Amino acid sequence: EAGVAQSPRYKIIEKRQSVAFWCNPISGHATLYWYQQILGQGPKLLIQFQNNGVVDDSQLPKDRFSAERLKGVDSTLKIQPAKLEDSAVYLCASSKRATGAGTEKLFFGSGTQLSVL
Amino acid sequence: AQKVTQAQTEISVVEKEDVTLDCVYETRDTTYYLFWYKQPPSGELVFLIRRNSFDEQNEISGRYSWNFQKSTSSFNFTITASQVVDSAVYFCALSGTQGGSEKLVFGKGTKLTVNP
Repeated sequence: EAGVAQSPRYKIIEKRQSVAFWCNPISGHATLYWYQQILGQGPKLLIQFQNNGVVDDSQLPKDRFSAERLKGVDSTLKIQPAKLEDSAVYLCASSKRATGAGTEKLFFGSGTQLSVL
Repeated sequence: AQKVTQAQTEISVVEKEDVTLDCVYETRDTTYYLFWYKQPPSGELVFLIRRNSFDEQNEISGRYSWNFQKSTSSFNFTITASQVVDSAVYFCALSGTQGGSEKLVFGKGTKLTVNP
């Protein structure tokens, strides 16, 4: 079974530029998550989708971050414009169930390491 | 608010030593779930265990064991006879239903280095 795919693996941009990350979850998984992991910290949830609907985006900085999961499969996270403090690893995860998803195990991708200069 | 504290930032042991990673949590939920994830240098987090708040039985899986104690709000993880391949960052996480949505809150992680 293929795991969660993410690209690119690394990205270096200058502040005020825009950047996009892509994620393809495990086939058949209903719920998709984007996490931000700053160096030395645990992952922090940015947004959670169930199928193609947003369940929780309370911690997403909506003035600069956006995400979509149009067909309920793969997803894109965008930052526009980027700030220095956005330097982090962006992890995508998926889980099987469409409800009660916060209680089951997550499958993570390897992440995209973003450096904003 | 939900909170997970992993007080040990880094631990270094020699192969074959036993090591315990501490996790203390805070929640007002009566129903909640606790998790441990491993993050090797490759970056992806790997699920190790999930425990619900009503099941305080300790669990053993090979060299890994977990001690859940509601009285002290702790969910500690022990690796017996550690190996170099156990070197990774380990995260404890808590999921509850505060605020109406189930959200997984992670601790800051403990970096374990097992030296040959």
